[in-house]
Amino acid sequence: DAGITQSPRHKVTETGTPVTLRCHQTENHRYMYWYRQDPGHGLRLIHYSYGVKDTDKGEVSDGYSVSRSKTEDFLLTLESATSSQTSVYFCAISESQGGNQPQHFGDGTRLSIL
Amino acid sequence: GNSVTQMEGPVTLSEEAFLTINCTYTATGYPSLFWYVQYPGEGLQLLLKATKADDKGSNKGFEATYRKETTSFHLEKGSVQVSDSAVYFCALSEGYGGATNKLIFGTGTLLAVQP
Repeated sequence: DAGITQSPRHKVTETGTPVTLRCHQTENHRYMYWYRQDPGHGLRLIHYSYGVKDTDKGEVSDGYSVSRSKTEDFLLTLESATSSQTSVYFCAISESQGGNQPQHFGDGTRLSIL
Repeated sequence: GNSVTQMEGPVTLSEEAFLTINCTYTATGYPSLFWYVQYPGEGLQLLLKATKADDKGSNKGFEATYRKETTSFHLEKGSVQVSDSAVYFCALSEGYGGATNKLIFGTGTLLAVQP
């Protein structure tokens, strides 16, 4: 199994508070991704990174920011959490940019915004 | 834009039954196609992939063939087991040489296998 650790695994917080989710990998892969999973939508890409300090927006990036200061860590921040951001968040990594390369996923963070 | 459509679930089968989960896609160029599986409480695991037309991906008794003429990548298994109960996601990426390998996912299909 790919060495991907997401933390925390579960979090409950209140509307308006900042939240940071962490993805840590031990594979030295260049590409990292954040997705959210919601019923009826499958997984949707929030942000991705193609190297240290190199990030770009995905399909549903509004309300989220990311940072990648080291190869192994990719942080997702909700500056001011809203109830619509209640979801399960998955981090993924891939070794190269080739479209035939699969992504490997962490076990997810279940986030509830009350 | 690119998109993936897969059959609505849940799909409920008896053990040893034949499984088909339909997946069709819309894409420009030559995408790669994937099936991922998600067991309860876990992340997604790659089940199989195909990177060009007429390729057949296979793993753990599951198969899917990349059909460009019908833009389909249906998942099949000849005899399902209770342990196959999970959510199955079809996905595509831009394919070899694409700028990135961002994945576009279908909505997922829940499979429940009864003993």
